[in-house]
Amino acid sequence: AQSVSQHNHHVILSEAASLELGCNYSYGGTVNLFWYVQYPGQHLQLLLKYFSGDPLVKGIKGFEAEFIKSKFSFNLRKPSVQWSDTAEYFCAVLSAGGGADGLTFGKGTHLIIQP
Amino acid sequence: ETGVTQTPRHLVMGMTNKKSLKCEQHLGHNAMYWYKQSAKKPLELMFVYNFKEQTENNSVPSRFSPECPNSSHLFLHLHTLQPEDSALYLCASSLSLAGALPDTQYFGPGTRLTVL
Repeated sequence: AQSVSQHNHHVILSEAASLELGCNYSYGGTVNLFWYVQYPGQHLQLLLKYFSGDPLVKGIKGFEAEFIKSKFSFNLRKPSVQWSDTAEYFCAVLSAGGGADGLTFGKGTHLIIQP
Repeated sequence: ETGVTQTPRHLVMGMTNKKSLKCEQHLGHNAMYWYKQSAKKPLELMFVYNFKEQTENNSVPSRFSPECPNSSHLFLHLHTLQPEDSALYLCASSLSLAGALPDTQYFGPGTRLTVL
């Protein structure tokens, strides 16, 4: 069975600080990787995803993530955070195989940006 | 964002009640999912429907009964629930293309369920 670990459950940063949220997964096969974000009072939204190709993927709102296969990692980064980035961030894994399959999520990281 | 809608948004029920959660997707997708989001736990997959057929039941107790009458609608029928079933129930949908192509899932706002 696959699992996802997000090491930081709560992160507090000041505006303009750089951000890196860790995500590691355990699965021996080919995976598809996602970061979702849940802003206060809103539903889960896709931030970015990796299916294949360039391991550095760019998402919305200036976020990017790098897939490092040898480390089973898919860390999320942003060079300069804003107050509006305050939200819950979830890393998720989908085993490659096509069709409909459930996502395996990490526990989430609650990010608070102080003005 | 009105791609995936869920009703009701909040529900309070007693342990002997019977209620249903509804999900509707307006994205032309073929696969629909139920997830449970409890406090301090990762989102857990409950059920998967692909082209109206249930393809996954993630060891969910029988007091949760899903129904998928067509590719646009998904229900979760609830009966004889326990207080520990209180959680946010999320619905998602994806295109589900034939062949070995990965899917992106799009989520609804959820139903906040409280069982007394």
